[in-house]
Amino acid sequence: QVQLVQSGAEVKKPGSSVKVSCKASGGTFSSYTISWVRQAPGQGLEWMGRIIPILGIANYAQKFQGRVTITADKSTSTAYMELSSLRSEDTAVYYCARDRSPGDSTGFDIWGQGTMVTVSS
Amino acid sequence: EIVLTQSPATLSLSPGERATLSCRASQSVSSYLAWYQQKPGQAPRLLIYDASNRATGIPARFSGSGSGTDFTLTISSLEPEDFAVYYCQQRSNWPEILFTFGPGTKVDIK
Repeated sequence: QVQLVQSGAEVKKPGSSVKVSCKASGGTFSSYTISWVRQAPGQGLEWMGRIIPILGIANYAQKFQGRVTITADKSTSTAYMELSSLRSEDTAVYYCARDRSPGDSTGFDIWGQGTMVTVSS
Repeated sequence: EIVLTQSPATLSLSPGERATLSCRASQSVSSYLAWYQQKPGQAPRLLIYDASNRATGIPARFSGSGSGTDFTLTISSLEPEDFAVYYCQQRSNWPEILFTFGPGTKVDIK
């Protein structure tokens, strides 16, 4: 049974960057896409971008273009999300999530436990 | 960008009642729609994928329907553990694969 285990909570200054990791254990990593989704306190879910680890190809929501970078290390089955130029509005829980199928389908069936990122001066 | 609208924002019901949640897309998403349940302090849980398919381990009281722009999640008889927030999510394939979520519907106890 695949699990996604994320890195721990972070506190960052405005203008800095944060890099969150998401390690897959117990199953295949590279065949599935990994997305990053964030949730500000008391708010809804917001998709940020995704990566196909086997190809190393990522794409991003327009809102985050130029500020987010998603990468993957196949050798360690770990995906990363780096967000730069942080501002207070980036304070949120950041989740990684796996597509349930590598094919033509939709639905994220496995989620990480979430990483709280707090941006504060 | 395809925008999803969910209604109602809040649904107040009693255990045993039927819940009907709506999700409308600003343009057709075919059947590329999923539903999630989220409880406080927890990650979302996939309920329905591709509009009408229950995910692994999801009870039969949850069902999804619709295609194109109008979708419905039905909970046939609410159990105490079903009181939560529900989100729909769509996938668009052109010019690249992108996802968006709806704003959510909170199902609370009447």
